[in-house]
Amino acid sequence: DQQVKQNSPSLSVQEGRISILNCDYTNSMFDYFLWYKKYPAEGPTFLISISSIKDKNEDGRFTVFLNKSAKHLSLHIVPSQPGDSAVYFCAATTGGAGNMLTFGGGTRLMVKP
Amino acid sequence: DADVTQTPRNRITKTGKRIMLECSQTKGHDRMYWYRQDPGLGLRLIYYSFDVKDINKGEISDGYSVSRQAQAKFSLSLESAIPNQTALYFCATSDKGKDYNEQFFGPGTRLTVL
Repeated sequence: DQQVKQNSPSLSVQEGRISILNCDYTNSMFDYFLWYKKYPAEGPTFLISISSIKDKNEDGRFTVFLNKSAKHLSLHIVPSQPGDSAVYFCAATTGGAGNMLTFGGGTRLMVKP
Repeated sequence: DADVTQTPRNRITKTGKRIMLECSQTKGHDRMYWYRQDPGLGLRLIYYSFDVKDINKGEISDGYSVSRQAQAKFSLSLESAIPNQTALYFCATSDKGKDYNEQFFGPGTRLTVL
């Protein structure tokens, strides 16, 4: 059973609008969450993260929100740009450098000009 | 130059063949990982190594083996490839000095087993 789920396999938005990518998890021991972005023919690259002691982390156009009670996090991209078109993976860990990442299935974002 | 490289980038092979995928890194990280990506399943961990003498099975290690030849090199072998091992394979590294496990990925190897 997948402990980290991204229920939307794909999302299409218009350039300039907001993109919201969602992620749900089941393991209450997860205390650190990461988003990775993947372009075709490339490996995933780290985008943004959030600790469970926070409910929001912002980096430029990217903001991640964490709702611990709902075991839900979301990535907001504002404004969306065509270059944001990629697959986005949510990942979670129980903390500490020795703990593994558990990935969601990914959401393919398409930003239309 | 890329920090994490993988060879080959693409490989087509036949059922029963032995295949080796190689990973090298120049990041100086101690920790290295092998994942496979399948549509809708995200990245699943096959094996990981925290240093040259420390190798551990991941979530889906059956049918795979690994070798950590040096701090910078970590190879993945499929002893007898089968069609359901057709997938995109990624190598990753991380720094043990970090509090949380941010990983850096190679470009991937697309493996097709006929």
